[in-house]
Amino acid sequence: DQQVKQNSPSLSVQEGRISILNCDYTNSMFDYFLWYKKYPAEGPTFLISISSIKDKNEDGRFTVFLNKSAKHLSLHIVPSQPGDSAVYFCAASVRGGGNKLTFGTGTQLKVEL
Amino acid sequence: SAVISQKPSRDICQRGTSLTIQCQVDSQVTMMFWYRQQPGQSLTLIATANQGSEATYESGFVIDKFPISRPNLTFSTLTVSNMSPEDSSIYLCSVEAFADTQYFGPGTRLTVL
Repeated sequence: DQQVKQNSPSLSVQEGRISILNCDYTNSMFDYFLWYKKYPAEGPTFLISISSIKDKNEDGRFTVFLNKSAKHLSLHIVPSQPGDSAVYFCAASVRGGGNKLTFGTGTQLKVEL
Repeated sequence: SAVISQKPSRDICQRGTSLTIQCQVDSQVTMMFWYRQQPGQSLTLIATANQGSEATYESGFVIDKFPISRPNLTFSTLTVSNMSPEDSSIYLCSVEAFADTQYFGPGTRLTVL
């Protein structure tokens, strides 16, 4: 049972444009959500997170939106840069529940010149 | 964030042997986690390792196959025992260093022949 899903395995965007990565979840107990970026041969790097009490969190070029009723979150990157090309994972956890992360399957983002 | 190192970074092992992976963090942390990323798959939590107590394993993972040590607040090891080709994966440790956010090590790429 895949509790966190990223339905787009890949996404291609032109440099300077907006990248939108989507993530859906099924477990209504999840109350904390994170986005990680992963380059080949490296561990995931934390990007941004959002608590379920918020619907938006922004950090520089990265903004995460949470729609609890739809059990959907998205990561916006604007403007996209070639260095953003990587695999992006969303993850979810239940605070106080051991803080275990459940990861999505990842989306390969390619930012083209 | 925390600085996390793992040893070895990669290894090629023979079927039936065991490999111990080390994870070192530059600050004292309560919770450390071990994940596996099989080829083309997402990250899956193997176990949570807290200092002074036995590791807590997720469904599908057992102590005999993946024994874990946590001798102090900055160090942990994961052993992959009696390896088979199906154990070929990237193994990652992570720590919860700030506000429910996990930071990951660079990973250990294991190939079992």
